Amino acid sequence: EAQVTQNPRYLITVTGKKLTVTCSQNMNHEYMSWYRQDPGLGLRQIYYSMNVEVTDKGDVPEGYKVSRKEKRNFPLILESPSPNQTSLYFCASSPTPNEKLFFGSGTQLSVL
Amino acid sequence: ILNVEQSPQSLHVQEGDSTNFTCSFPSSNFYALHWYRWETAKSPEALFVMTLNGDEKKKGRISATLNTKEGYSYLYIKGSQPEDSATYLCAFSLSSNTGKLIFGQGTTLQVKP
Repeated sequence: EAQVTQNPRYLITVTGKKLTVTCSQNMNHEYMSWYRQDPGLGLRQIYYSMNVEVTDKGDVPEGYKVSRKEKRNFPLILESPSPNQTSLYFCASSPTPNEKLFFGSGTQLSVL
Repeated sequence: ILNVEQSPQSLHVQEGDSTNFTCSFPSSNFYALHWYRWETAKSPEALFVMTLNGDEKKKGRISATLNTKEGYSYLYIKGSQPEDSATYLCAFSLSSNTGKLIFGQGTTLQVKP
């Protein structure tokens, strides 16, 4: 089944404890991206990747890192999470940026 | 600062009503306009991606139009059903060379039986 797999679904952590949210797609898509969703603000793009080893900042990249060492995986890394990073996170992929995005199931992150 | 505006913010209609909402985006540097449907507790699901001025797309009772010169897109739902209740998101893509995608805040539709 074609899908974007995101883990974990829920995560509660404490300020400063490094964490990684994984994202993997099995559709051989070149384009992958990360978003956060906060009430009243809609989806905001954090980082995106046009292909392996090619990543770039979205609108809200501060406090996040990404890597794209293989086509299928695009992990989101929070080196030192802070409470303002408490949010719902989505990973998405598509063949190119201008085709329909396939979204993962989301990760609800709480940073205490 | 590039901004995508959706209106209205929320909408309550009766089953059987037809409805429409608007997505406004910068008309310069336009490349593509996306529409997504997002049900509560699920992930956003793609409806349409449109690139050409005058484009019209249709999927069942849902259709969309695009005007790139004036910077707006309309989403229409004919004969709304309770299962159409969701948040509808549009997203604007700047150019073919960038992966930047800017989403609007969404229009939340509630269809009462």
